[in-house]
Amino acid sequence: LAKTTQPISMDSYEGQEVNITCSHNNIATNDYITWYQQFPSQGPRFIIQGYKTKVTNEVASLFIPADRKSSTLSLPRVSLSDTAVYYCLVEGYSTLTFGKGTMLLVSP
Amino acid sequence: NAGVMQNPRHLVRRRGQEARLRCSPMKGHSHVYWYRQLPEEGLKFMVYLQKENIIDESGMPKERFSAEFPKEGPSILRIQQVVRGDSAAYFCASSPAVRDRGSNEQFFGPGTRLTVL
Repeated sequence: LAKTTQPISMDSYEGQEVNITCSHNNIATNDYITWYQQFPSQGPRFIIQGYKTKVTNEVASLFIPADRKSSTLSLPRVSLSDTAVYYCLVEGYSTLTFGKGTMLLVSP
Repeated sequence: NAGVMQNPRHLVRRRGQEARLRCSPMKGHSHVYWYRQLPEEGLKFMVYLQKENIIDESGMPKERFSAEFPKEGPSILRIQQVVRGDSAAYFCASSPAVRDRGSNEQFFGPGTRLTVL
């Protein structure tokens, strides 16, 4: 049983806000929600992490409803360089489980 | 502060040869993780090590694969008698001491792309 479910792909244009939603119905009490970004031929890079409510950093926001069964990664005003695969993970301790992620394509 | 280093970046082996992949964690990080990524797939966890200890090898194939993280030097992922199905990108990640609660950010290296002919 997959830990997370997210769209396979999304398309956007430069300057738009992009929201990627992830479902994690079986999230455990100790699990955190983490998003990673991966460019082709590179290792994943941490974007943001949260446990509940809203978290914001310099690159993204993460919205987590009270039941924590889903989360939404929000990328404000995307640029071409945001084209990448975005992974949603729920993990409680150490090892990470990556799904296939969401391929975001940003066009001019 | 240099990031996670992996070498070689590209490795070509013929079937039956051995492949050795090296990973130097970030300075101050004592935890190392190895992942494998097949084309068009997400990363799959293989093994989690601390210095001189294997903590979790549940994702490691039972045969031909081994990993170590010695007291001195880089972590090594070793694949013996490689087969074509071993062709993949192998990523190493490191993290500082694990916190008691919550997930721990992992810092990934650039990966080693193994091609088995």
